[in-house]
Amino acid sequence: DTGVSQNPRHKITKRGQNVTFRCDPISEHNRLYWYRQTLGQGPEFLTYFQNEAQLEKSRLLSDRFSAERPKGSFSTLEIQRTEQGDSAMYLCASSLELAFTDTQYFGPGTRLTVL
Amino acid sequence: GQQVMQIPQYQHVQEGEDFTTYCNSSTTLSNIQWYKQRPGGHPVFLIQLVKSGEVKKQKRLTFQFGEAKKNSSLHITATQTTDVGTYFCAGPGRGSTLGRLYFGRGTQLTVWP
Repeated sequence: DTGVSQNPRHKITKRGQNVTFRCDPISEHNRLYWYRQTLGQGPEFLTYFQNEAQLEKSRLLSDRFSAERPKGSFSTLEIQRTEQGDSAMYLCASSLELAFTDTQYFGPGTRLTVL
Repeated sequence: GQQVMQIPQYQHVQEGEDFTTYCNSSTTLSNIQWYKQRPGGHPVFLIQLVKSGEVKKQKRLTFQFGEAKKNSSLHITATQTTDVGTYFCAGPGRGSTLGRLYFGRGTQLTVWP
């Protein structure tokens, strides 16, 4: 399977705990994105990487959130001191930067529930 | 900030009826992309439109990009139960937000057999 993969698929945690999610993009893709989706809404952009460089961060990405892509391949998203409002689906997407197109392919997501 | 709006939020049709969802951006877009998300699934890329006034077809799906590149529509002819899901349009940011996609809220399509 050459699609975007995410682990874990589901995570239940207690408020105040730290959680970490992993995303493995399509192998030849140099861009990797993180989005958050809540019920009844479209995906909201969090951050994106081109290779190992983090190029954009949304205001949604508070100090409790950090993302890394150390070798330009897989990425991790960590949420510290989770809050109930962090409960959402966290989606990863990847793309291959081309001249006029930048189609993003999404992974299956990690559903986070904060109790 | 940049916004993408979609209407309607919900659409319920009987199998065989047509369906249309509309997308409007607060800014001119370099391109617009459409995604489908099945219940419990993740967004799946359908198509990208780049040119002003562009029309593309995928079997029963017809996608249009407005002349001003600020609006778009998706029309499904003779819906089938397999069309069930939420359809999102998304446009890229500009300048410092070039890398991100701004998604609409989506139109949730229900098809009765």
